[in-house]
Amino acid sequence: DVKVTQSSRYLVKRTGEKVFLECVQDMDHENMFWYRQDPGLGLRLIYFSYDVKMKEKGDIPEGYSVSREKKERFSLILESASTNQTSMYLCASRLGGQETQYFGPGTRLLVL
Amino acid sequence: AQSVTQLDSQVPVFEEAPVELRCNYSSSVSVYLFWYVQYPNQGLQLLLKYLSGSTLVESINGFEAEFNKSQTSFHLRKPSVHISDTAEYFCAVSVLSFQKLVFGTGTRLLVSP
Repeated sequence: DVKVTQSSRYLVKRTGEKVFLECVQDMDHENMFWYRQDPGLGLRLIYFSYDVKMKEKGDIPEGYSVSREKKERFSLILESASTNQTSMYLCASRLGGQETQYFGPGTRLLVL
Repeated sequence: AQSVTQLDSQVPVFEEAPVELRCNYSSSVSVYLFWYVQYPNQGLQLLLKYLSGSTLVESINGFEAEFNKSQTSFHLRKPSVHISDTAEYFCAVSVLSFQKLVFGTGTRLLVSP
């Protein structure tokens, strides 16, 4: 079974803090993704990565950055957290060229 | 660009009743279609997918969806729902080498006894 884990289920941070969200997959997948999920808006793609050290902007990259130094790990960084980044963050991975994305359990972030 | 519309944000049904969750998409090229399910406090899981071939696809837990190219739809159906089907369901579309998934806004299915 593919396993995608995220470092925290719940996080509370203050405005202006730097926030790291970590995602690890154990199936040697080339592709990894970060989404945010908001009520009424569904999932929106923030960033994705095709391979180590490669990254592409998704639909809503503003205020975020990513890091992929190792194949199994994809980090999402909020350089200076703001209240409008309060959301559920979902990580996913996929074998290159295949259709199915495998999701982690999500991190619910609250920015005060 | 592709887009997905799920018109129903919430669908309440009684146990053992049939249900249909609607999904329409727009795209100028051929697409691949997916339904994902999110149970409470969990991530998303693939429920079923249409890539090619038969336009009717089925999941292992009794859901089915039919790809209708002329109506650009991929509605999800189940003839008799269980309490355990209570979840949020997301329709998604992808083109060419599955590079990106575009999701709908989700439909919350609420099954009551």
